[in-house]
Amino acid sequence: QQQVKQSPQSLIVQKGGIPIINCAYENTAFDYFPWYQQFPGKGPALLIAIRPDVSEKKEGRFTISFNKSAKQFSLHIMDSQPGDSATYFCAASKGGSEKLVFGKGMKLTVNP
Amino acid sequence: GAGVSQSPRYKVAKRGQDVALRCDPISGHVSLFWYQQALGQGPEFLTYFQNEAQLDKSGLPSDRFFAERPEGSVSTLKIQRTQQEDSAVYLCASSLGLGPSTDTQYFGPGTRLTVL
Repeated sequence: QQQVKQSPQSLIVQKGGIPIINCAYENTAFDYFPWYQQFPGKGPALLIAIRPDVSEKKEGRFTISFNKSAKQFSLHIMDSQPGDSATYFCAASKGGSEKLVFGKGMKLTVNP
Repeated sequence: GAGVSQSPRYKVAKRGQDVALRCDPISGHVSLFWYQQALGQGPEFLTYFQNEAQLDKSGLPSDRFFAERPEGSVSTLKIQRTQQEDSAVYLCASSLGLGPSTDTQYFGPGTRLTVL
């Protein structure tokens, strides 16, 4: 059973576009929801994270929207740039200090 | 400052060989995690240490996989009698692990294991 479902699997946008990546989770015990960015040959790097006590969090060009009742959260990338081309993973954990459960990832391509 | 480092970065093993993968976490980080990432997939949890104690090994796929962190810093993931299905990138992550505000897991670059 996949506990964190991510969509779409891939996305191509033009520079300046606003890609949106969606995730849905099953386990209501999850209370920490990070997004990671991974470039080829590198480890995942944390972009932004949210806890269920807020519905939105913004850091620079990255915004997380969180809907606790629907058990869904999404990442918006404002004014996307070619350098944002990477694979993006949503994840979830219980208590934050425990293991992360990852989605399958979304490969983003931002064309110049 | 130095991040999480892993060695070797690449390892090619013949089926049946034993391998050892090393992780050097960020200095002072209490929590250490190992994940396995198959090609085109998200990382999957293998095991978790808090200092030298292995608190969760529920993700280890078989008894051929063994991890240790004897002094609460460097960790080694050992795979015995490697099989082709073990081919993947093995990621190590560490976090300060002192409470909710210190939960961020910082990942190393991974070790790409190829079993022929």
